[in-house]
Amino acid sequence: GDSVTQMEGPVTLSEEAFLTINCTYTATGYPSLFWYVQYPGEGLQLLLKATKADDKGSNKGFEATYRKETTSFHLEKGSVQVSDSAVYFCALSGRGGGSEKLVFGKGTKLTVNP
Amino acid sequence: KAGVTQTPRYLIKTRGQQVTLSCSPISGHRSVSWYQQTPGQGLQFLFEYFSETQRNKGNFPGRFSGRQFSNSRSEMNVSTLELGDSALYLCASSLGNPGANEKLFFGSGTQLSVL
Repeated sequence: GDSVTQMEGPVTLSEEAFLTINCTYTATGYPSLFWYVQYPGEGLQLLLKATKADDKGSNKGFEATYRKETTSFHLEKGSVQVSDSAVYFCALSGRGGGSEKLVFGKGTKLTVNP
Repeated sequence: KAGVTQTPRYLIKTRGQQVTLSCSPISGHRSVSWYQQTPGQGLQFLFEYFSETQRNKGNFPGRFSGRQFSNSRSEMNVSTLELGDSALYLCASSLGNPGANEKLFFGSGTQLSVL
């Protein structure tokens, strides 16, 4: 079945450092890919998405490019802030059947120190 | 516009009891999905409802059930609770247009503790 693998955390960075969180997927067909973020005590919020190969999703300085040849969707940010501290989830949604079901990775906890 | 509302926020039950969790989607959203979040298993899909019909179901035992009402509000029920059911249960809503891969809006969740 479909699956998502993302790098194990936790990740600790200093403010203004460069961030990369790796994500690879296994799926039949051409899934849509997402990054969600979860702040402490809250539900998940969509950070960005890409629906086809070579699409780049971006939001709040974060970017990720849908790479079909490497089945990857790595999250990057050039300069992190303390407020970016959260848990980040990579996810996919398969096509067909009309369902919006998401398959999530295990999550990567990011802590940014001032 | 109000977000996805889940009640209660926290719940403590004992083994063998049953529990009902409630989710009110964003106004106008017709699709509601439920996810279980645990430290060990991460986020796992439970079920999805659209216009009162179950559109998809995850790999959970029959003790887990759900339903959706005509106003799109949804409830999920867990019977004969086990210690392993302790988790954060998240509800998400969307407009629900089939195959549109729309943005899901998540509630803050219900934290269930089974003692």
